[in-house]
Amino acid sequence: DGGITQSPKYLFRKEGQNVTLSCEQNLNHDAMYWYRQDPGQGLRLIYYSQIVNDFQKGDIAEGYSVSREKKESFPLTVTSAQKNPTAFYLCASSINQAYQPQHFGDGTRLSIL
Amino acid sequence: GQQLNQSPQSMFIQEGEDVSMNCTSSSIFNTWLWYKQDPGEGPVLLIALYKAGELTSNGRLTAQFGITRKDSFLNISASIPSDVGIYFCAGYAGGTSYGKLTFGQGTILTVHP
Repeated sequence: DGGITQSPKYLFRKEGQNVTLSCEQNLNHDAMYWYRQDPGQGLRLIYYSQIVNDFQKGDIAEGYSVSREKKESFPLTVTSAQKNPTAFYLCASSINQAYQPQHFGDGTRLSIL
Repeated sequence: GQQLNQSPQSMFIQEGEDVSMNCTSSSIFNTWLWYKQDPGEGPVLLIALYKAGELTSNGRLTAQFGITRKDSFLNISASIPSDVGIYFCAGYAGGTSYGKLTFGQGTILTVHP
């Protein structure tokens, strides 16, 4: 079945450590997105990518980095510069960026040890 | 950036009751989307709206794109226990926000059997 796969489901980070969250889609979608969700808040955009080898910062990009080397993959690295990384991270994709619905993975919950 | 005001923040209803929630914005939106999120999962698309005045149904769910293009509502008829979850509105505004989806804060729905 086509869909978006995020891994791992749960992730723990030590102080000063970088961690990478995986997002893979087999929907043949051009655009991919990373969101952060905190309790009581809506989703906030971290980074997005319209096409391979291209990506743009969202509203809260500081302390995060991404790459888009393949159409189906858009990994997110939470760096040690992100001082409050504990959150639920959601990856999404859409056919293209022009007002099309985004479809989401099941998320990765990141916690600090 | 763009902001969506979603209300109510939470609802506690009896099984069988109808539910109504809405989103408003000070800016014009080109697309309105409604999502449902279960605990620990990613949001699932319920309804997509593309034209001002559009009224679309999906089973017991009905959503409308406001004629001013600044609001949208979602109705759920004859609620059942599995309707429990968080409902998010989201929209594409275009202009400098092209391709970036803005989310409301969510409506937490609790259904008592």
